[in-house]
Amino acid sequence: GAGVSQSPRYKVAKRGQDVALRCDPISGHVSLFWYQQALGQGPEFLTYFQNEAQLDKSGLPSDRFFAERPEGSVSTLKIQRTQQEDSAVYLCASRKTGENIQYFGAGTRLSVL
Amino acid sequence: GNSVTQMEGPVTLSEEAFLTINCTYTATGYPSLFWYVQYPGEGLQLLLKATKADDKGSNKGFEATYRKETTSFHLEKGSVQVSDSAVYFCALTDGNNRKLIWGLGTSLAVNP
Repeated sequence: GAGVSQSPRYKVAKRGQDVALRCDPISGHVSLFWYQQALGQGPEFLTYFQNEAQLDKSGLPSDRFFAERPEGSVSTLKIQRTQQEDSAVYLCASRKTGENIQYFGAGTRLSVL
Repeated sequence: GNSVTQMEGPVTLSEEAFLTINCTYTATGYPSLFWYVQYPGEGLQLLLKATKADDKGSNKGFEATYRKETTSFHLEKGSVQVSDSAVYFCALTDGNNRKLIWGLGTSLAVNP
């Protein structure tokens, strides 16, 4: 596609529910990143994929967070048993091999009530 | 670990004023440096970048120079417009995967 696409744009969940956030990167981009952006803060790194391999998950805040990219294209970030502190904008970015620029989607705003 | 410190906002300017947003960093190795912009209701967009010391990134009238001696990458524009109103983020690459480490962002409001 023309850009990084994320869905849904907005998600409201009740505390304890599971959610799944989708990222469709730019076609052909090997690298994919997930970031979490709390209100009024800069993004914080969550996890990184190269093709289907998850090479770095050091930023995932707890074992309730899980990400996958099974075919090396679309990625899903899953949050189990959501808590209020999970409320944030979740950003996905992709990067072409050999380039140093990450291209961002518009993000998914998650609100946990 | 690597980190980025940005000047706090909000910054409010009149149209055609000069803009500086300060950014300093702490890093090992030789990171690349970036300014991203987030317009209201939109995603993060790359504004400019610099990959090595003394490089100057520029775009849309904005400039920033990679200063290794002062570990800085300050954003400047000579004459701001109302359409420049946005949140500006300074960032650097970190680690083998070159993930981005971000500042807190600086909100800019330009009044006509």
